[in-house]
Order: sequence, then C-alpha cells, then structure tokens
Amino acid sequence: DAGVIQSPRHEVTEMGQEVTLRCKPISGHDYLFWYRQTMMRGLELLIYFNNNVPIDDSGMPEDRFSAKMPNASFSTLKIQPSEPRDSAVYFCAAGPGAGNTIYFGEGSWLTVV
Amino acid sequence: GDSVTQMEGPVTLSEEAFLTINCTYTATGYPSLFWYVQYPGEGLQLLLKATKADDKGSNKGFEATYRKETTSFHLEKGSVQVSDSAVYFCASLRGGFKTIFGAGTRLFVKA
Repeated sequence: DAGVIQSPRHEVTEMGQEVTLRCKPISGHDYLFWYRQTMMRGLELLIYFNNNVPIDDSGMPEDRFSAKMPNASFSTLKIQPSEPRDSAVYFCAAGPGAGNTIYFGEGSWLTVV
Repeated sequence: GDSVTQMEGPVTLSEEAFLTINCTYTATGYPSLFWYVQYPGEGLQLLLKATKADDKGSNKGFEATYRKETTSFHLEKGSVQVSDSAVYFCASLRGGFKTIFGAGTRLFVKA
C-alpha cells in the first residue's frame, strides 16, 4: 500500500497567488482529513470528508480556503488568494472508520512570500 | 469539549536515559487514546494506542497505559536512543471521527 500521497511536497508562492494542494488517500479508507501545522498553533483540523462528502469544515480559517473531494481517490485544498500567514505544513490524512487510527501523508510545505 | 494536554518540551535526554512524556485528557465518556510520532520532514505516524481503561499500548520499546482514574496516558521508554529524537503527539478520539491532538512534545536524545 502506497499510503497517503500528497503533492507538491514543497511550494513557494507569492502573496495573492492561488495555491492548490493535492491528496491521494489510501484506497478503501472512507475518511479524509486536512490538517495544518504551524509552530504557533500546532496541529489544526481544517476539514474532513466521509465518502467524499464534507462533514465538518468548522476548522477552515476563512473563505479563502476551500476543499473538494470529487471522488474517493482525490482531494484538493485550495487557498485563493494566499497570504504570508498561510505559510505552514498542510497534511492530508486518511482513516478507515470510526475510532480508528488515521494515516498521514508526508505533508505539503507551503511558504507564501 | 474534549481536549488533550501534554507536557511542554523540548525534552533533552542522554542516550539510554528513561523517558516519560505526560499526557492528560478531558472527555465525556471513554475515548480511545493514541500516541503519534513525527520524525523531521515527515507526517505523523501511529506509535501506539489503547482503546479502554487499563489497556497498555506498546511499540518499539514505548509503552503507555490508559488510566481512567487520573485521565492520563503517559508515554514511557526505558532506554532512549538517538533515533527516538522526534516530536510526540498524544491524541484522543471519542465516538466520532475528529481526533484531538495535543500540542506535541519535542524530544532530543544526545549520544
């Protein structure tokens, strides 16, 4: 099993540009999570999906952030327009069901200058 | 709401020293409890877990026991190695699918 695959691994972009982060979850894992990690705020859950449907997006910081899961094997997190305070590591994670371990990708390291 | 509190780091130890990282949780009912580890440049990965009171999770020499009476899940290892240097996250999960993570504790092990 290849695990959760994220791309890009690293991205540097200018303020105001659109950023799209991509995730391929583990096949058969019905839950997909997007987390953001920063030194100041630690690990924050942004949104999670079950069977491709967004269940809880209360962690999405503002309207500049959006996430989609058009099918079971692909999800995107988009920031438009990006700002320097969005600089962070964004993790995608997948889980097989309630009460279970979740499996993280290696993260997308975003720097907005 | 549910929360997880773990000791602040960084924790710096010499190789072969004993490790304890404290973790306490607040939750209504009995959550499952986890320790995740994050090595530099990588995502979090499960280290161990316990799903009910008095359960002991163990892996790679690390152990943690689910203590309902003290609402704790402290991580221990008898003899740390340089390769254990990482950030350790305590986490809880009750009922639904929203894992609650602690702030993380960075461990440095010196040779």
